[in-house]
Amino acid sequence: ELKVEQNPLFLSMQEGKNYTIYCNYSTTSDRLYWYRQDPGKSLESLFVLLSNGAVKQEGRLMASLDTKARLSTLHITAAVHDLSATYFCGNEKLTFGTGTRLTIIP
Amino acid sequence: EAQVTQNPRYLITVTGKKLTVTCSQNMNHEYMSWYRQDPGLGLRQIYYSMNVEVTDKGDVPEGYKVSRKEKRNFPLILESPSPNQTSLYFCASRGLAGGGEFGPGTRLTVT
Repeated sequence: ELKVEQNPLFLSMQEGKNYTIYCNYSTTSDRLYWYRQDPGKSLESLFVLLSNGAVKQEGRLMASLDTKARLSTLHITAAVHDLSATYFCGNEKLTFGTGTRLTIIP
Repeated sequence: EAQVTQNPRYLITVTGKKLTVTCSQNMNHEYMSWYRQDPGLGLRQIYYSMNVEVTDKGDVPEGYKVSRKEKRNFPLILESPSPNQTSLYFCASRGLAGGGEFGPGTRLTVT
């Protein structure tokens, strides 16, 4: 059974700080997806990581993939309030975990 | 514009009355999937389809049916809805290499 687990589930951090969200998946997946969801909205694609060692960056967000460890990370640099949202990672079958609800405090 | 559309966006119905939520994509994507989202439970996959006439169960398929007769359409059917199927439903599609797109969501209430 494909399982995707994220941690932490909830994250409250101050503006300007750095932090990392972790995504573990239980069986082999050759790609990993990251999405963002704002309250009351649908999911928006952030990153598609297609191979081992892939790293992608967009603004203050950087995602990486280690297929051997079955681990992906989403790193937030110098957080700003606009990044407050719920972040989901998903495997190639678009199976998702429970998400990480991120709150940035001024 | 590349998009996934769902209809209806909001639906209030009664227990036992069959309903269909439609999902359509215009990106020629092979893969499509249905989810329900409930507070504190994340996104739970109901069914997915790898291509036309190829479907498989996700984590919570009970009480739902799907079909994939055409590549662009992937309807979700509730033969006899019950109150525990009250939820927010999302459809998604993705191609072989690119990212996935989500529909806007359908908020279903079963009384």
